[in-house]
Parts: sequence; C-alpha cells; structure tokens
Amino acid sequence: GQQVQQSPASLVLQEGENAELQCNFSTSLNSMQWFYQRPGGSLVSLFYNPSGTKHSGRLTSTTVIKERRSSLHISSSQTTDSGTYLCALEPWYNQGKLIFGQGTKLSIKP
Amino acid sequence: EAAVTQSPRNKVTVTGGNVTLSCRQTNSHNYMYWYRQDTGHGLRLIHYSYGAGNLQIGDVPDGYKATRTTQEDFFLLLELASPSQTSLYFCASSERAGGQYFGPGTRLTVL
Repeated sequence: GQQVQQSPASLVLQEGENAELQCNFSTSLNSMQWFYQRPGGSLVSLFYNPSGTKHSGRLTSTTVIKERRSSLHISSSQTTDSGTYLCALEPWYNQGKLIFGQGTKLSIKP
Repeated sequence: EAAVTQSPRNKVTVTGGNVTLSCRQTNSHNYMYWYRQDTGHGLRLIHYSYGAGNLQIGDVPDGYKATRTTQEDFFLLLELASPSQTSLYFCASSERAGGQYFGPGTRLTVL
C-alpha cells in the first residue's frame, strides 16, 4: 500500500476559515517536508519538520513520529492560499530520497 | 533559500526525438534529483546524484539517462522520447539534511 497518504484529497473553504491538512505514513521517517504547489506548477518548500511543531506566519506544521502523522494548519485562509499541498517523507531506511503523498487540493472562496 | 533553475521551461518534441533537460543549483548542495509529476502518480524520482560524477537510480529510471557534470549542473537525457514521457519534470537539490529545494519545472510534451 501507499507509504504516504494525504487527506482530504480536496478541500473547499470560505476565506477566513482555518484549514487542517493531514499526512499519515506507514514507515519510519527521518524527516517530513511540506510543499505548496502553485496552480502554475512550481513547488515551494513550506516546512522541513522531522518532529514537533514549527510555525511560519499563518502556517503551522506538526509531526508526531509515534503516531506516524504530520499535519499542516492554515489559519485565517486567504484566496491566495489556493493550490495543492504536498507532504513528502524521507524514510529512515533510504535517507536522501523523498516519498510524496498524492496531495490536497485547497480552494479558498472569496 | 536555495536557488535551482531549469531549462527549458517548456519543450515539445516528436516521438523518437532526443531531449536534454538542464538543471543548475547555486547553493553548493551535494545532492541533486530529477522527478516527474503525472496526474494520478504524484511526484516520482527518476535519478539522483550525491555529487559530481555520481549517479543513482531512482524509482522510475527506464528511458532516462542522467549526468552530473559539476556540483552545480545535473542533466536529464531522453534519447528516444516516447509519448509516455510527456510530463512535468522537476529538479531539486539538498544538503544531507534540511530538506529539498525545487526548480520551477519543465513541461515536456512528446507528440
């Protein structure tokens, strides 16, 4: 089965609402990385978060290794947050390689 | 932040044609990677490298060659392009730890 599963596959919110994106993994990780993919295709690294909680503006990433999950929280969403969010796991057994989830497509309505 | 550039940004070729995709990173990272992204498959690793002259096989290497000529430059070669290689290609670089940084992508169409 898939080693990295993201949920939900898609999410539609009104501007101002909070978004919670989940990433569950079935293998031991060395690190977890979250990316934002713009509608045009380019990838932006949001967080490199092997464990614990990290903040960047309205974004918060939390990785709980024991529970094999990582989450991305977006507070007070804006229309410019629309796009696809990808999590990627660097497995312990194959460091340097990333295994990507299928992504969550986020749409923020004005 | 890491600077990774790719060229060309868009490429159209015909079946059987030769294509070279170029990637350059300017942050002295040792590791470089080539991925392809397709609907339904997500991002998949084609080839990667630990340094100049080093090459490692990724998860979907068939039909692709790669060369790492310098620490900065990593090339992906399609010697007999096929329509199944129509995709969005990304290059990335990283240090041993700290995450991967991606280029803007190259959209390749094989007719």
